[in-house]
Amino acid sequence: AAGVIQSPRHLIKEKRETATLKCYPIPRHDTVYWYQQGPGQDPQFLISFYEKMQSDKGSIPDRFSAQQFSDYHSELNMSSLELGDSALYFCASSLDPTSGRNEQFFGPGTRLTVL
Amino acid sequence: AQTVTQSQPEMSVQEAETVTLSCTYDTSESDYYLFWYKQPPSRQMILVIRQEAYKQQNATENRFSVNFQKAAKSFSLKISDSQLGDAAMYFCAYRSAPYNNAGNMLTFGGGTRLMVKP
Repeated sequence: AAGVIQSPRHLIKEKRETATLKCYPIPRHDTVYWYQQGPGQDPQFLISFYEKMQSDKGSIPDRFSAQQFSDYHSELNMSSLELGDSALYFCASSLDPTSGRNEQFFGPGTRLTVL
Repeated sequence: AQTVTQSQPEMSVQEAETVTLSCTYDTSESDYYLFWYKQPPSRQMILVIRQEAYKQQNATENRFSVNFQKAAKSFSLKISDSQLGDAAMYFCAYRSAPYNNAGNMLTFGGGTRLMVKP
């Protein structure tokens, strides 16, 4: 079965640079979630989109922005990168959150290292 | 805001034996969903099992089952016949029901690292 695709899988950036992470949800999934997992920590919710509109917002820094496109893929844009942004970034997708089958399925993650 | 607590940072089990991972949560909501996710060394987050709060029957998925105690706000995961491949970090997660209008994001506990001894 098709899974969530994230690219790139690994990314190395310098401080103050920008990065763009991409997420392609499971076919027919219209909801995308972004999570950040720091070393030794649990995943923290950043932001989500349903039908191309922002639905929820968590602890996402103002330096980050995201959007969902007409084909339902999503991009997380990160600017003025800081050392503390080094983490594993997960994208998850689900069917309509109000539906009975609303489990979130996670992609493999993008490991971002900021030097 | 909801909080999820996993009080066991590490657990170990002998292969083929049974182990129970604990999870408690705090919420004022009456309807919600609870999940267990597995994160092996590959760091992939894999959904193990899900429980709807309105269902009294405990969820089961093959060797995995839960003990859901709504009044106690407890949601433990039992792994039977443990296998070497079960070794991973396990995260308990909470999600509000949609009509609560509290968002659809997952709130995770701190995780429990499970080691399986051959």
